[in-house]
Amino acid sequence: SQKIEQNSEALNIQEGKTATLTCNYTNYSPAYLQWYRQDPGRGPVFLLLIRENEKEKRKERLKVTFDTTLKQSLFHITASQPADSATYLCALDMNSGGYQKVTFGTGTKLQVIP
Amino acid sequence: DGGITQSPKYLFRKEGQNVTLSCEQNLNHDAMYWYRQDPGQGLRLIYYSQIVNDFQKGDIAEGYSVSREKKESFPLTVTSAQKNPTAFYLCASSTGPQNTEAFFGQGTRLTVV
Repeated sequence: SQKIEQNSEALNIQEGKTATLTCNYTNYSPAYLQWYRQDPGRGPVFLLLIRENEKEKRKERLKVTFDTTLKQSLFHITASQPADSATYLCALDMNSGGYQKVTFGTGTKLQVIP
Repeated sequence: DGGITQSPKYLFRKEGQNVTLSCEQNLNHDAMYWYRQDPGQGLRLIYYSQIVNDFQKGDIAEGYSVSREKKESFPLTVTSAQKNPTAFYLCASSTGPQNTEAFFGQGTRLTVV
C-alpha cells in the first residue's frame, strides 16, 4: 500500500540551529512534493513545492530536497527561531483513476527552544 | 480579499443528526477538497472535485456527501452514518489538480454529542 511517513512526531531544537524534517514515501511515483506549515487550530499554509526533476529548492531560510531514488524529501529551516514552532506537513500528488489528488503525511511538530 | 472561507468555526450537533459544513472560495479555483484531521494525525481526504458538477471519493468518504453545483462552493454533509464525526474539517482549493499549491480555509471543528 502507499504510505507517506514523516520521521518523527515531534522535534525539539535550540534557537539558531538548523531544523531538518524528513518525509519518506513508498509505492508512489509523485510528480511533485509540497511542504506546508500548520499552526494549532488553523488550516495549513503552503511553503514550498519541488518537482521530481528538481533536486533542491530554496526560499529565504527554507530549503527542500527531493530524492526520487531514496523516495525521500528533506525540509531544512536554517537559523531557526521560536516563531518557526509549528507542525510541518509534506504532501504528494497521486494519480487515482485518472484523477490527481494530494495526500498528506501525518506531520512533524517542531518546537524551537529559545 | 480573495480567499477560502469555512463556516462556522465551531459546530455542535446531537448524535444522529445530519450537518452541513460550508466552504466558499472567490479565488476562481477549479479544484476543491475536503479533509478531516483528528488529534495528532495528518489530513485524510474525504472528497475532492476538479470541476463543477463532478466530484470523487477520497480515502474516507463513507458517511459523508458533497455537491459541487457552483464553482465557488463545495459544501460537505456529515450524515448520521458517519461513525466518528467529531473532528476538525478542512476545506481547500487549488487552480488545478497538479503541480499547484492548495489554499486552505480556517477549518470547522465539529463536535457531536
